[in-house]
Amino acid sequence: GAVVSQHPSWVICKSGTSVKIECRSLDFQATTMFWYRQFPKQSLMLMATSNEGSKATYEQGVEKDKFLINHASLTLSTLTVTSAHPEDSSFYICSAREGSSSYNSPLHFGNGTRLTVT
Amino acid sequence: GDSVTQMEGPVTLSEEAFLTINCTYTATGYPSLFWYVQYPGEGLQLLLKATKADDKGSNKGFEATYRKETTSFHLEKGSVQVSDSAVYFCAQHPQGGSEKLVFGKGTKLTVNP
Repeated sequence: GAVVSQHPSWVICKSGTSVKIECRSLDFQATTMFWYRQFPKQSLMLMATSNEGSKATYEQGVEKDKFLINHASLTLSTLTVTSAHPEDSSFYICSAREGSSSYNSPLHFGNGTRLTVT
Repeated sequence: GDSVTQMEGPVTLSEEAFLTINCTYTATGYPSLFWYVQYPGEGLQLLLKATKADDKGSNKGFEATYRKETTSFHLEKGSVQVSDSAVYFCAQHPQGGSEKLVFGKGTKLTVNP
């Protein structure tokens, strides 16, 4: 079946540094990818929708200058947390929509990245 | 706004017990409804879905029926197994417009032998 690979699975960084998380669709092309954030005992909150070749669409309240998203190819989207702070510590999950951008197209999730900022 | 509310866990059951995880939603219009499952150390996987009222989604012995009158999509399984231990997320895709899914908080299920 379709696989989404997310890397790294966990990362620890110092406050003030930047961290890049990769999301790859391994055996399908993904025009649209989504980035979620999950706090403990909370639901997944959509941060942004990433469209190949165009600017990402951010949800209300998400700082686009802090969470940089690049979707340069049909198989790769990256999320960069810039100048990370302890409050950015969270579980970040990407998902990719297989095929055309329709809600009927299958949605595949990565395994998530645990970010800890010290 | 659109939202999903599911029962808080954790839920602990013995093998072969009956499982119900409640899920209700608020939405304008008629959303599509989903249950996703996250096994330990893995990403979310689609378990089942229903796209219109009275539809029943089913997979791996799990079932959920789209109830418009009660705005619910409760997940059930008649006899759980240890391998069903996971976190279960109810989600909706609101009708029209954005592609985004709205998730519930997730319910952790542990099945003991």
